[in-house]
Amino acid sequence: DSGVTQTPKHLITATGQRVTLRCSPRSGDLSVYWYQQSLDQGLQFLIQYYNGEERAKGNILERFSAQQFPDLHSELNLSSLELGDSALYFCASSVAPDRAGNTIYFGEGSWLTVV
Amino acid sequence: GESVGLHLPTLSVQEGDNSIINCAYSNSASDYFIWYKQESGKGPQFIIDIRSNMDKRQGQRVTVLLNKTVKHLSLQIAATQPGDSAVYFCAERVSAAGNKLTFGGGTRVLVKP
Repeated sequence: DSGVTQTPKHLITATGQRVTLRCSPRSGDLSVYWYQQSLDQGLQFLIQYYNGEERAKGNILERFSAQQFPDLHSELNLSSLELGDSALYFCASSVAPDRAGNTIYFGEGSWLTVV
Repeated sequence: GESVGLHLPTLSVQEGDNSIINCAYSNSASDYFIWYKQESGKGPQFIIDIRSNMDKRQGQRVTVLLNKTVKHLSLQIAATQPGDSAVYFCAERVSAAGNKLTFGGGTRVLVKP
């Protein structure tokens, strides 16, 4: 158990809908990351937050947004869902964002299926 | 849960043998590298890391080798066990660009009893 908690574990929704994925980082970790894992794209970095502020942005679609709250938990919002958004969404956390050797721990992921 | 990456390269290894998993990275500015293990239906699990000022690092039953000249990383697993069956990913990072990891495509390891 990495200590990173994600909910829900599985989610099935229809095209055009909106979902919210939730993540609680490991105790003491200030930085949260979101990754998408799909069959054809592998693990892709979406976005990073540090202590409530956006730190880095990757290949995140405009239909997707995220935030990190004062209690450090994070939410990833996916809207106007398309079939191609079906994937595993991982949250990860680390103590700080930039220091070399700063281990990033992953949660178990949220399986999203868009039908 | 289902496995992702069904078309990954696969390494079949006999239980008890040593495994070597290779990874070519792309960014010569990368200065930190990590190996992750992902079992079916689970998230990536940290195995071992190495900084670019090292060429070898050993852990428990695992060794990571880094060759910066050819931008190559390898993970050696000694005395492979059935529990080592998983998909293994290498990841690289440019520390000056933050903690964003860029992952390789992954290698599936199947341990035969």
